[in-house]
Amino acid sequence: AQTVTQSQPEMSVQEAETVTLSCTYDTSESNYYLFWYKQPPSRQMILVIRQEAYKQQNATENRFSVNFQKAAKSFSLKISDSQLGDTAMYFCAFPGTGTASKLTFGTGTRLQVTL
Amino acid sequence: DTGVSQDPRHKITKRGQNVTFRCDPISEHNRLYWYRQTLGQGPEFLTYFQNEAQLEKSRLLSDRFSAERPKGSFSTLEIQRTEQGDSAMYLCASSRSGAGETQYFGPGTRLLVL
Repeated sequence: AQTVTQSQPEMSVQEAETVTLSCTYDTSESNYYLFWYKQPPSRQMILVIRQEAYKQQNATENRFSVNFQKAAKSFSLKISDSQLGDTAMYFCAFPGTGTASKLTFGTGTRLQVTL
Repeated sequence: DTGVSQDPRHKITKRGQNVTFRCDPISEHNRLYWYRQTLGQGPEFLTYFQNEAQLEKSRLLSDRFSAERPKGSFSTLEIQRTEQGDSAMYLCASSRSGAGETQYFGPGTRLLVL
């Protein structure tokens, strides 16, 4: 079974600074996708970024980028120029094997962006 | 392109009552997933549909839970004889099957069982 581990329950960063959220996972698959989702307080889960495992280039979406280390099974999220609106729970997610792509989520990291 | 919608957004019920939630996926998406999220945790998979077929159910889904997607469009999740342990956020997500399948989530239904 897939496992996803987020070892940082809470983090804080000042506005305009950079923060990195960590995620490790376990799989025997060689080709897969990984996802970071953001869940603001009392708001819905939204996709932040997606990484394809067979691509060596790290995914980037504006201020959000990943550091994907396939051999280490590590998938960290870097947020540059943090904004107050980045305050949220961040979940790393990994799909299952076979025909289903049900997601296994980590326990999340609560990020607080401060002035 | 309207996103995934869920109804109701909040539900308070007494233990032993039945509740039903609805999810309307993004229109061209053939897959629909249900997850449950308890406070401070990540969502956990419950079940999923491809078109109208329910293809997988989690062991978390006791026989008090039933889900349908009769015409391959909207889905309902019913909980019979609710228990206090059913209190959670119930999330629906939809996707288009294929390589790089990406799920898009609805706002969720928050259930409180008294």
